[in-house]
Amino acid sequence: EAQVTQNPRYLITVTGKKLTVTCSQNMNHEYMSWYRQDPGLGLRQIYYSMNVEVTDKGDVPEGYKVSRKEKRNFPLILESPSPNQTSLYFCASSLGVGEAFFGQGTRLTVV
Amino acid sequence: KQEVTQIPAALSVPEGENLVLNCSFTDSAIYNLQWFRQDPGKGLTSLLLIQSSQREQTSGRLNASLDKSSGRSTLYIAASQPGDSATYLCAVNNYNTDKLIFGTGTRLQVFP
Repeated sequence: EAQVTQNPRYLITVTGKKLTVTCSQNMNHEYMSWYRQDPGLGLRQIYYSMNVEVTDKGDVPEGYKVSRKEKRNFPLILESPSPNQTSLYFCASSLGVGEAFFGQGTRLTVV
Repeated sequence: KQEVTQIPAALSVPEGENLVLNCSFTDSAIYNLQWFRQDPGKGLTSLLLIQSSQREQTSGRLNASLDKSSGRSTLYIAASQPGDSATYLCAVNNYNTDKLIFGTGTRLQVFP
């Protein structure tokens, strides 16, 4: 089954404790991206990757890092999480500018 | 800068009604437009993708149209059911950017 898998689905952490949210897709898509969703602000892109070893900033990259060492994986790293990073995070993948497929989301709470 | 607007923000209808959700965008230089469904606290499910060269796409009870020159798309849902209750999001894929730009969604409730 074609899918984008994120882990964990839910995470509560403390300010400053490094965390990683994993994302994996099984569709051999070159393009992957991360979004955050906040009430009243909608979905905003954090980072994206056009292919292996190619990443670039989206609209709200501050406080986040990503890597793309393999085509299928695109982890999101928060080196020192802060409460304003409490949000619902989504990973997405697509074949170029084709149909985008989203993961089930990771609800992160930073206290 | 591309801006995507969805009207109405919320809609409540009785079961069985046909309904139309609207999406407008300010920059017509798009590759495609995609409609998604999102259930509360859940992920986005792709419903329909319309390429910029297409006028409409259909999937079951759903029909999406695209008028690129006027910057509009509509999602038509026939014979609505309580299971259609969700938030519907449209997103455009622009030339010269590498991201989907989302509207803020229409929250639909279909009551029995």
